[in-house]
Amino acid sequence: EIVMTQSPATLSALPGARATLSCRASESISINLAWYQHKPGQAPRLLIYGASTRATGLPARFSGSGSGTEFTLTISSLQSEDFALYYCQQYNNWPLWTFGQGTKVELK
Amino acid sequence: QVKLVESGGGVVQSGRSLRLSCAGSGFTFKNYAMHWVRQAPGKGLEWVALITYDGDNKYYTNSAKGRFTISRDNSKNTLYLQMSRLSPEDTAVYHCVKVRSTLTTFVDAMDLWGQGTLVTVSS
Repeated sequence: EIVMTQSPATLSALPGARATLSCRASESISINLAWYQHKPGQAPRLLIYGASTRATGLPARFSGSGSGTEFTLTISSLQSEDFALYYCQQYNNWPLWTFGQGTKVELK
Repeated sequence: QVKLVESGGGVVQSGRSLRLSCAGSGFTFKNYAMHWVRQAPGKGLEWVALITYDGDNKYYTNSAKGRFTISRDNSKNTLYLQMSRLSPEDTAVYHCVKVRSTLTTFVDAMDLWGQGTLVTVSS
């Protein structure tokens, strides 16, 4: 099983700040990585796939990077609607798709 | 409107069975592989099962093997999860999820999620 480790667990920031979320895979997953945003009571939302490709309609302030075992999701300027939980997920090693434990982006 | 709507959750006693359903609309359901993903209270997301677009191949996480069965009825645009021998550890919100790519390509991201249905297993 590929273990996905996200850091930090919680990121406290102000609107307008830059947020950098990290995700590490226990072995190489090439670029087969996705990022999701999850707000309480809502369905999770795909943000990034292929490590760096934005999903349809995603604002340009969201960007993804990385390959192999190290990945980053960057939100260039936090908006109020961006405070949420963020998960990374690998789909390289199937049939056992695995998620990170999540990073909570909260208002400082 | 493209959406997935789950149903069938509820409170069930340990050892009993439950069937979840997921209705897809706004897209060509029969062309996409589908997952079930769950989230236990206070925990992260956990993949449970996948079924290919045609229903010919099914994959399960270890804890679901032998207890859960994923299936689909493409004529009804509906995905199912039959769960048996339930235990309190199965308590979670169960999400139905669509694979981003069509047909035979299911090794891809998950691009459409339902809000989920809550399953509570009492001991």
